[in-house]
Amino acid sequence: GDSVTQTEGQVALSEEDFLTIHCNYSASGYPTLFWYVQYPGEGPQLLFRASRDKEKGSSRGFEATYDKGTTSFHLRKASVQESDSAVYYCALRAYGSSGNKLIFGIGTLLSVKP
Amino acid sequence: EAAVTQSPRNKVAVTGGKVTLSCNQTNNHNNMYWYRQDTGHGLRLIHYSYGAGSTEKGDIPDGYKASRPSQENFSLILELATPSQTSVYFCASGQGAQDTQYFGPGTRLLVL
Repeated sequence: GDSVTQTEGQVALSEEDFLTIHCNYSASGYPTLFWYVQYPGEGPQLLFRASRDKEKGSSRGFEATYDKGTTSFHLRKASVQESDSAVYYCALRAYGSSGNKLIFGIGTLLSVKP
Repeated sequence: EAAVTQSPRNKVAVTGGKVTLSCNQTNNHNNMYWYRQDTGHGLRLIHYSYGAGSTEKGDIPDGYKASRPSQENFSLILELATPSQTSVYFCASGQGAQDTQYFGPGTRLLVL
């Protein structure tokens, strides 16, 4: 079945560090890929999405590029801030999925020290 | 922006008891979802709905029932709660081809 793999369970950085969170997926066709962010005490919220090969999604300084060749959608930010501390989820929606269901990765807890 | 609310926000239940988690959305979305969030598992889909009167099984439906009496409301029911159902539960709504899902703030459930 379809799946999403996030390899980093936790990432600890200092302010102004470069961030990479890896996301790889397994699905047929062209799934839509998402990054969601969850701040403490809140529900997840959409960061951005991409639906075709080589499309770049971006928001709030974060970006990721849909790569069908490597089945990846890695999240990157050039300079993190303490306010970026949150849990980040990579997710996919399979093409034609019933009910537009999302499949989420396990999430990556980002902690940024001032 | 979509508004999704959940009640209660925190709940303590006893093993074998019945628990009902409620979700309300005010954006007139057709689709609604229930997830549970656990460390090491991320968000997993329990039940979802296409609209009033419909419920569908998600990836982990065992031990849960759902009810969608109206466009706005979607409930998750644990008829016989077990400690393994201790978790944080999120409701979400969405609609359309892009179907961004809008999440509520979550309900923290502890089953003793």
